[in-house]
Amino acid sequence: GAGVSQSPSNKVTEKGKDVELRCDPISGHTALYWYRQSLGQGLEFLIYFQGNSAPDKSGLPSDRFSAERTGGSVSTLTIQRTQQEDSAVYLCASSAGGPTDTQYFGPGTRLTVL
Amino acid sequence: ELKVEQNPLFLSMQEGKNYTIYCNYSTTSDRLYWYRQDPGKSLESLFVLLSNGAVKQEGRLMASLDTKARLSTLHITAAVHDLSATYFCAVAPRGSNDYKLSFGAGTTVTVRA
Repeated sequence: GAGVSQSPSNKVTEKGKDVELRCDPISGHTALYWYRQSLGQGLEFLIYFQGNSAPDKSGLPSDRFSAERTGGSVSTLTIQRTQQEDSAVYLCASSAGGPTDTQYFGPGTRLTVL
Repeated sequence: ELKVEQNPLFLSMQEGKNYTIYCNYSTTSDRLYWYRQDPGKSLESLFVLLSNGAVKQEGRLMASLDTKARLSTLHITAAVHDLSATYFCAVAPRGSNDYKLSFGAGTTVTVRA
């Protein structure tokens, strides 16, 4: 079956602009995660959605970052007033049900802020 | 805060030889993952280790978990070129935030002839 998909694959934007990154999880997966991978670093947890529960937004680095998940499926990560330090690869993952299930990752969106 | 340390960060392997990547973590956990990432690609799940003493093997890769030592190892037997990639371990904390994986910085493996 189809894996996690993300769009766009690459995004170049100017400092100060807003960007939206999209994630389509594996069909039927109730848990969805966003991570950020900066050059030379590991993955940094951003946000977690599970079913209809309130998301855990504790990893979002600033109030310029927000995310939503519509209908328990597609998720959008929005970064407002982008800064150069936001440049990174943003990875989305989904898992079948509980938090102990393996997370399956999408291909990522490479964001470059000029 | 759960901290995860991998070493080495870079590993140049010679084909046919054996190597080990280490993953240490700072607080109690019963669940550890190993992922592989090829350049420009996403992460691929390799192993899930769920208990002390767990050992999983797939092909030339074998992973083990010692929860008392807070250590996991990824052992590569008779390295081959197509194992060149970056390998990450990720650790889940105990408790209500057990979905919040903490990743190591990754070990970049290059296998040379």
